[in-house]
Amino acid sequence: SQTIHQWPATLVQPVGSPLSLECTVEGTSNPNLYWYRQAAGRGLQLLFYSVGIGQISSEVPQNLSASRPQDRQFILSSKKLLLSDSGFYLCAWSEGHYSTYEQYFGPGTRLTVT
Amino acid sequence: AQSVSQHNHHVILSEAASLELGCNYSYGGTVNLFWYVQYPGQHLQLLLKYFSGDPLVKGIKGFEAEFIKSKFSFNLRKPSVQWSDTAEYFCAVKSSGTYKYIFGTGTRLKVLA
Repeated sequence: SQTIHQWPATLVQPVGSPLSLECTVEGTSNPNLYWYRQAAGRGLQLLFYSVGIGQISSEVPQNLSASRPQDRQFILSSKKLLLSDSGFYLCAWSEGHYSTYEQYFGPGTRLTVT
Repeated sequence: AQSVSQHNHHVILSEAASLELGCNYSYGGTVNLFWYVQYPGQHLQLLLKYFSGDPLVKGIKGFEAEFIKSKFSFNLRKPSVQWSDTAEYFCAVKSSGTYKYIFGTGTRLKVLA
């Protein structure tokens, strides 16, 4: 069966520090991968998605970037964190090309920028 | 741009009451529709989905949703809620032929025992 991992689960970082959040998927190949930020009362905001290694689509221009160095690995990064980057970050995957399948979500990372 | 509206942000019900959560989307083409649920402390998980065919779809835990194309709606229903249905519910839309899923802002449901 497929599983999705995210780490770390929680993170407290000072303003101006770098960020690296990692997401890995097991039990499938060529997944579509997604990064979302979830904020109370604002739902899930799509940040990035990837349909293949090295292919990244950015949905919201901001202080973050994403990379997909391996088929089942998706990384969210920042060179210098802002206070506004605080939030709950979710990774998700779905199957296939233009698939009609649902997304499967990881446990999330709670990021607090101080 | 596509958008999804969930008009009920907070809903409080007593056990055994009926539930209907609204979801409207803005997109004129073919869409795939989803309802996800996030129980306290747990991952987001799929409740039900609509791709084609019968517009009334049934999901887990007694939930159902009806796709009304003319109203661009996909409302979630449950005839009798339980305390364990306390959670946050998200509606999501994906246009056919794209990879992007657009989520609504969510509805927090609290069921009183």
